[in-house]
Amino acid sequence: DGGITQSPKYLFRKEGQNVTLSCEQNLNHDAMYWYRQDPGQGLRLIYYSQIVNDFQKGDIAEGYSVSREKKESFPLTVTSAQKNPTAFYLCASSIFSGRALNEQFFGPGTRLTVL
Amino acid sequence: SQELEQSPQSLIVQEGKNLTINCTSSKTLYGLYWYKQKYGEGLIFLMMLQKGGEEKSHEKITAKLDEKKQQSSLHITASQPSHAGIYLCGADGVRGGAQKLVFGQGTRLTINP
Repeated sequence: DGGITQSPKYLFRKEGQNVTLSCEQNLNHDAMYWYRQDPGQGLRLIYYSQIVNDFQKGDIAEGYSVSREKKESFPLTVTSAQKNPTAFYLCASSIFSGRALNEQFFGPGTRLTVL
Repeated sequence: SQELEQSPQSLIVQEGKNLTINCTSSKTLYGLYWYKQKYGEGLIFLMMLQKGGEEKSHEKITAKLDEKKQQSSLHITASQPSHAGIYLCGADGVRGGAQKLVFGQGTRLTINP
């Protein structure tokens, strides 16, 4: 079955440590996205990538980094520079077709807790 | 930047009742998406609206986009426990190019038996 996987589902880290969240898709989608969700709030875009080896900052990129070495994978690193990293992180992907609008498909999410 | 405001923020309804969730934009919407989320899980795509006055239905859920393309509503008829969850609207903030979606804060729906 095609879909998006995120691992792990729950992640605990000590303050000051970098941590990498995994996102893999087998939908053959060109575009991938990372969002952050805080309690009672909607999603905020961290980074997005339209094509391999290219990515762009979203609205809240500070303290995060990404890579897009393969079409299927878009890992997100939460660095120690991120001041408030505890949150629910969602990865998404979509067909990228220029001006056409296409829905984004979401993974199950990773809940990161920094102790 | 484009902002989306959802109302109400939470909603409790009796099973079998109808309900409506609204999503209002400060700017023209080029694409409006409705998603459903179970607590602690990913988002499930419901519907996408693009044209002014457009209306789409799936089972007991109907979504509409007004003619001015600044407001959308999601209507659930004869609500069931399976409808419970968080409903989020998302809008395309840029015409063409990557879909950099902006989301509303969500509406938490509870269905009482």
